[in-house]
Amino acid sequence: DVVMTQSPLSLSVILGQPASISCRSSQSLGHSDGNTYLNWFQQRPGQSPRRLIYKVSNRESGVPDRFSGSGSGTDFTLKISRVEAEDVGVYYCMQGTHWPRATFGQGTKVEIK
Amino acid sequence: EVQLLESGGGLIQPGGSLRLSCAASGFTFDMYAMTWVRQAPGKGLELVSTISDSGGTTYHADSVKGRFTVSRDNSKNTMYLQMSSLRVEDTAVYYCVKGRYCSRTSCSLMDVWGQGTTVTVSS
Repeated sequence: DVVMTQSPLSLSVILGQPASISCRSSQSLGHSDGNTYLNWFQQRPGQSPRRLIYKVSNRESGVPDRFSGSGSGTDFTLKISRVEAEDVGVYYCMQGTHWPRATFGQGTKVEIK
Repeated sequence: EVQLLESGGGLIQPGGSLRLSCAASGFTFDMYAMTWVRQAPGKGLELVSTISDSGGTTYHADSVKGRFTVSRDNSKNTMYLQMSSLRVEDTAVYYCVKGRYCSRTSCSLMDVWGQGTTVTVSS
C-alpha cells in the first residue's frame, strides 16, 4: 500500500499566523487519467472528518480561501494563510490514486498557541 | 442535502458479530462507490471496506479481510458492513463515506461523511 507521511504531527500556531502541513507519499500520485488524487480533510474536535481540498488544490465549496493546497508527484502541502480559532483540529491527507487501496496520513493536530 | 446515517453500533464481546447500516439520501446512490472508514479511539483514519456502485466489486483492508463483508441494497439506498469474529482492536467509530464517482475525465473521492457509529469490542 502507498504510505502517506505527514509532518509535523503537531502544530501550535498564534492566531492570525500562517501554518503549513507537509504530506509525502511513498509512490507517485499521478493517475493515468491525468489527475492527482490527493485530498485534505479537516476533523474538528468531536466531529466527523470534512473534505477541504480535492485533487491537490481544489477547495471544497464553503471552505475559506485561507486554505490552499499544492504539490505534485509525491510531495504535497496544505497551507493556512492566517489561522483562526475555528481551524483547530486534526488534518489528514489521503491518496485516492491507488483506489480502492486509498490511504491516509497519520494526521496533524493544529492548536492555538 | 446529502446525508449518510449510520446505525448498528454497540458493545459486543470479542468473537461476536455485528451489522452496521448506512442509509443514504440526497444523491443518486447507485452511481457511487461507497466506503467504510474507521477511527480507533485517539487514532487516525483507516479505510476498512469499499463497494462499487453496482455492488459487484468489493475491497477489504487486510486487517479485516475474511471477517468483514461489505454489501449494499441499491433499492433501499443502503450500505451494510457485516462484522464477525470481532476483536478488541476493531473498537472504533465507523464512518460511512460517499466513496467515489468517476466521470469520463475525473473522479470525486470521499466528499461526504456520516456522523459515525461506535463499535466497542470488550468483555
